[in-house]
Amino acid sequence: DAGITQSPRYKITETGRQVTLMCHQTWSHSYMFWYRQDLGHGLRLIYYSAAADITDKGEVPDGYVVSRSKTENFPLTLESATRSQTSVYFCASSRDRRSEKLFFGSGTQLSVL
Amino acid sequence: AQSVTQLGSHVSVSEGALVLLRCNYSSSVPPYLFWYVQYPNQGLQLLLKYTTGATLVKGINGFEAEFKKSETSFHLTKPSAHMSDAAEYFCAVTDPGGSYIPTFGRGTSLIVHP
Repeated sequence: DAGITQSPRYKITETGRQVTLMCHQTWSHSYMFWYRQDLGHGLRLIYYSAAADITDKGEVPDGYVVSRSKTENFPLTLESATRSQTSVYFCASSRDRRSEKLFFGSGTQLSVL
Repeated sequence: AQSVTQLGSHVSVSEGALVLLRCNYSSSVPPYLFWYVQYPNQGLQLLLKYTTGATLVKGINGFEAEFKKSETSFHLTKPSAHMSDAAEYFCAVTDPGGSYIPTFGRGTSLIVHP
């Protein structure tokens, strides 16, 4: 039971580079989410998706792009990384709209130099 | 709109002492409420939840929380802290009749001293 996996676990990049963080879930959950975790801010929603080919902005979407061509994958792309995007990124999924629980990946720690 | 306030970014207790982590919420409708726990270098996992029914809910590892509508609170407690309870704890609220997306608090770091 693989669950929800994120890759890479750690990433160092430079300002201006494009970076893609991967998220894969094996449960066929309909909903998927991307959060960033920063000290003093807790978890903030970047983007979410209700199903394949359906995505929507969260609280802090600027500078990020998502896609969801397949139900199981929900990659997050930083088009031109900035230092303010240094953070820990978490992907999560839930079974359906009324699901009472999110399942989280282990996170990707991203450093932008 | 819904929001969550967790009082205290850090809480320090001795092993064996009572754990109390505070959460207050704001919601225009009866909410669903959650506590998640994050151990070091891991993702979040559900500790317990309140949806409907009994206002005192029990979760894993001996934790429990009570939904108090009059106080708009959902505080997390554990009678006796263990070293393994040291972690980050997040309270979250969802509007079950509208947006299904949970809003998280800023988190409380629980420190347990031997």
